[in-house]
Amino acid sequence: GIQVEQSPPDLILQEGANSTLRCNFSDSVNNLQWFHQNPWGQLINLFYIPSGTKQNGRLSATTVATERYSLLYISSSQTTDSGVYFCAVYGFGNEKLTFGTGTRLTIIP
Amino acid sequence: AAGVIQSPRHLIKEKRETATLKCYPIPRHDTVYWYQQGPGQDPQFLISFYEKMQSDKGSIPDRFSAQQFSDYHSELNMSSLELGDSALYFCASSLGGRGRGEQYFGPGTRLTVT
Repeated sequence: GIQVEQSPPDLILQEGANSTLRCNFSDSVNNLQWFHQNPWGQLINLFYIPSGTKQNGRLSATTVATERYSLLYISSSQTTDSGVYFCAVYGFGNEKLTFGTGTRLTIIP
Repeated sequence: AAGVIQSPRHLIKEKRETATLKCYPIPRHDTVYWYQQGPGQDPQFLISFYEKMQSDKGSIPDRFSAQQFSDYHSELNMSSLELGDSALYFCASSLGGRGRGEQYFGPGTRLTVT
């Protein structure tokens, strides 16, 4: 099956810093989603982005499907941004999302 | 906007007992998915239903079964519970199966097996 790798696995930043999270996938994908899992365990939808670039406030994402990667940018980090960020992909012909191993982001005041 | 509803939010069971988790998808969504997330792990796909028919299956133990009802709600039934079944169970829904449509996740049911 399709493999999804995320980097870095852990990231510790001061409040106000910017960060870039990367997601690599091993095969062509039908769709891609980014999620934020907060400390209470909830999975929050960030982006649905099979290709191209999207922005939502301080967050933006870019997927280059032909090169099999996606990037999530977080600017001016806040403590509420802490948690685990997951990239998840649909392979062609699949119903399921395959998740990456996640990036654990910790924002220090 | 309406979200995916899961019940119960927390469940404590003993080994060898049974558990039933319920999921109510976003209105008009036709596809329901179940995922299991163990401690410190990423969510793993269990099973999905499109228009009340099973559409895909992952590494779901034979002890688990699921179905989607005429009102589109879904239930995950788990029998002969084991300690390793302790996990966060998510239900998600989308509009359009076959890998189409953004998936929206419920708050999860945290199952603890003692």
